[in-house]
Amino acid sequence: QLQLQESGPGLVKPSETLSLTCTVSGGSISGGSYFWGWIRQPPGKGLEWIGNIYPGGSTYYNPSLKSRAIISVDTSKNHFSLKLTSVTAADTAVYYCARRREGTSALDYWGQGTLVTVSS
Amino acid sequence: QSALTQPASVSGSPGQSITISCTGTSSDVGGYKYVSWYQQHPGKAPKLMIYDVSDRPSGVSNRFSGSKSGNTASLTISGLQAEDEADYYCISCTSSSTWVFGGGTKLTVL
Repeated sequence: QLQLQESGPGLVKPSETLSLTCTVSGGSISGGSYFWGWIRQPPGKGLEWIGNIYPGGSTYYNPSLKSRAIISVDTSKNHFSLKLTSVTAADTAVYYCARRREGTSALDYWGQGTLVTVSS
Repeated sequence: QSALTQPASVSGSPGQSITISCTGTSSDVGGYKYVSWYQQHPGKAPKLMIYDVSDRPSGVSNRFSGSKSGNTASLTISGLQAEDEADYYCISCTSSSTWVFGGGTKLTVL
């Protein structure tokens, strides 16, 4: 059974860089035709798509993040990562990683989510 | 990109049917078959309920169904049950190869 697990600091200072990793177990991140992505949810609010990556291929980002987001993949470690620069309190959210099958809209596997708080 | 428009809340009694709408534009919902729906219970990760407008993943009850007309996609839940009470979100691909969520709908089972 495929599992995704987010990890990273739970507290980040304003203006610094948020860094999260999603470790994939039970399957290869480079096996099959899948996009790997990040979604976030501010406390009490809705879901926001951050971006996704296709191993060995392209990355796509939410334009509202104004180029602050960078998603990368490390196939040797079977994980992918998110960096979000110049964070503010508005970036406080639960961050989820998820898998989407290529050619479909199905985000079929999700991590449990990790809360990141931006505060000094 | 603007969030897709969903009603903030809907409600229904056990056994009834409800429909949640998800309205976008011809650059997202209206232009592609790539719309999916997610159920989220408090404190939990979202769960895929419908993908590609109307396909249902294995293991999801056939009480859940999806459709689309023009720029509006819809999720219908028939035979409402108490455990269906949750937040529901739609997401669509866009003409820019990005994805956009709806604002979410809180379903209350009366």
